[in-house]
Amino acid sequence: GESVGLHLPTLSVQEGDNSIINCAYSNSASDYFIWYKQESGKGPQFIIDIRSNMDKRQGQRVTVLLNKTVKHLSLQIAATQPGDSAVYFCAEKVQGAQKLVFGQGTRLTINP
Amino acid sequence: DGGITQSPKYLFRKEGQNVTLSCEQNLNHDAMYWYRQDPGQGLRLIYYSQIVNDFQKGDIAEGYSVSREKKESFPLTVTSAQKNPTAFYLCASKAGQGNQPQHFGDGTRLSIL
Repeated sequence: GESVGLHLPTLSVQEGDNSIINCAYSNSASDYFIWYKQESGKGPQFIIDIRSNMDKRQGQRVTVLLNKTVKHLSLQIAATQPGDSAVYFCAEKVQGAQKLVFGQGTRLTINP
Repeated sequence: DGGITQSPKYLFRKEGQNVTLSCEQNLNHDAMYWYRQDPGQGLRLIYYSQIVNDFQKGDIAEGYSVSREKKESFPLTVTSAQKNPTAFYLCASKAGQGNQPQHFGDGTRLSIL
């Protein structure tokens, strides 16, 4: 399934399926992007990052894709597991700035 | 283990009182940040510090104050001037000034009695 992560929408997927969480970022001058996972009552946990000179980066079961032409970032989670249930945030950093700008998040729920 | 410790986990404040939230890191990170998170929303930056004895206002600094007297500590005071302080407060730190991820503590939930 897919979702645009701007208004805390919910994405529901079947256990074992792949999940795709999308994020439209705002500033064409952003040069660094991060995905975080936040479980209830906890702080955000770093998942994966990507620099603007890359289009794709892979981690363990996760892939981040960056399309600078349309200012779009996505997080793909392979073989989604119950432990993947959380809110996922994208964050961008403008070149030269020292702070991150966070999106509003997407809630991922896993159906057994 | 290295990490970021926020205390207390839950905090209650009476109207008119100032309260201070603690954030300590043993990661030897130079930069530290404070964010506010409201239900169903993303993180908004309150204050940040790139180096000891220096800090800058974020996007929602009004009603808050910070200090950075030691590298490992970045306490946040929620003053009585903050009219809507009920929220989840998150502290983060980052090594250096390059493109690196911020790492977060597990937050303090502040409520008004």
